[in-house]
Amino acid sequence: ETGVTQTPRHLVMGMTNKKSLKCEQHLGHNAMYWYKQSAKKPLELMFVYNFKEQTENNSVPSRFSPECPNSSHLFLHLHTLQPEDSALYLCASSQEQTSPTDTQYFGPGTRLTVL
Amino acid sequence: KQEVTQIPAALSVPEGENLVLNCSFTDSAIYNLQWFRQDPGKGLTSLLLIQSSQREQTSGRLNASLDKSSGRSTLYIAASQPGDSATYLCAVMGAGSYQLTFGKGTKLSVIP
Repeated sequence: ETGVTQTPRHLVMGMTNKKSLKCEQHLGHNAMYWYKQSAKKPLELMFVYNFKEQTENNSVPSRFSPECPNSSHLFLHLHTLQPEDSALYLCASSQEQTSPTDTQYFGPGTRLTVL
Repeated sequence: KQEVTQIPAALSVPEGENLVLNCSFTDSAIYNLQWFRQDPGKGLTSLLLIQSSQREQTSGRLNASLDKSSGRSTLYIAASQPGDSATYLCAVMGAGSYQLTFGKGTKLSVIP
């Protein structure tokens, strides 16, 4: 079992809904990440927070809005999504972003379906 | 832009066989290369991390090698078991960006 938890594990939402994904890490790490995993595509990095500051936004549409209130919690707020946003959303954490010797620890993911 | 390619996309082997998974990357300016395992519908589990100055890492029945100059890595699994069935992902950490770029993975099935 990893020290990274994600809720909910499954989410079905309409295009006009607003929902949030939650991630919590119990590893004492300082960096947290959101990734998107679509069928037949590599994992795509969406956002990075290092010491609670957003350091990366990889051209993610504004309908995805991240929030990192502290080093242990990360949220992804969703609104007016499109069907092509259906994917597995993975959260990860590491000791800090700029450490080449540390790996990232992943949560189990939230399977999102947009109708 | 870094690109990571994994070959084959899928592999099926009988239990007990030794096997090799391949990973190639286009930009050799990396800090490290990592191998992950992903079970269906689950998150990723780190298997091995090879720093750019290293040639290989071993953990149990797993051995990963890195040839940075040629942009290649292999993951060797000895005496495969049904429990090894999963998707194996290769990722490189870009020098300067510290971001991981992933391949699409190799789906491994070990037949009892």
